[in-house]
Amino acid sequence: AQKVTQAQTEISVVEKEDVTLDCVYETRDTTYYLFWYKQPPSGELVFLIRRNSFDEQNEISGRYSWNFQKSTSSFNFTITASQVVDSAVYFCALSDLRTGGATNKLIFGTGTLLAVQP
Amino acid sequence: DSGVTQTPKHLITATGQRVTLRCSPRSGDLSVYWYQQSLDQGLQFLIQYYNGEERAKGNILERFSAQQFPDLHSELNLSSLELGDSALYFCASSVGTVGNQPQHFGDGTRLSIL
Repeated sequence: AQKVTQAQTEISVVEKEDVTLDCVYETRDTTYYLFWYKQPPSGELVFLIRRNSFDEQNEISGRYSWNFQKSTSSFNFTITASQVVDSAVYFCALSDLRTGGATNKLIFGTGTLLAVQP
Repeated sequence: DSGVTQTPKHLITATGQRVTLRCSPRSGDLSVYWYQQSLDQGLQFLIQYYNGEERAKGNILERFSAQQFPDLHSELNLSSLELGDSALYFCASSVGTVGNQPQHFGDGTRLSIL
């Protein structure tokens, strides 16, 4: 079955610390897609990044970086020099694909609440 | 701003009532998804439409129904409401049904059942 596990329920750091959010997934698909979303206190869900299963290059965007490792079925997210504005719930998600591309609904992890203290 | 519009933002009603949540997808997106976010269930997929046609169903209760209209906006109807239906309901849209297309979410409708 398709599943996403975010074992860290809550993380608290002090501003300027680096922090890594873990994501482990399970899938039987050979091609799949992984996503990270951010949910700030205001409640909306903001798309951060997409990763294809056949592209294991790590990605960096400013203070954000993502480490995809197929061998361990992990897609971890690191924030460098964290800021108070990074405080949010972060969700990892997996596309649940069906044969023929009929659907691409998302399966979400339970989320990690990141609190960055000033 | 994701470009996905959901109305209303907040809804307070009583048990047994019926409500309709509305979603306008981003311009050019043909797929609409509905998700429910609650404290005990987390973020759960409810249903997906693509260009007016139902494509997938998740753990959607029989009391809930949805449709996508020719102008591509979608409505989620919740009836015989129970206390446990209190949740944040998100609509998302994407261009199609290809897995690598990110879904962009609206701000959600917060439903409170009294």
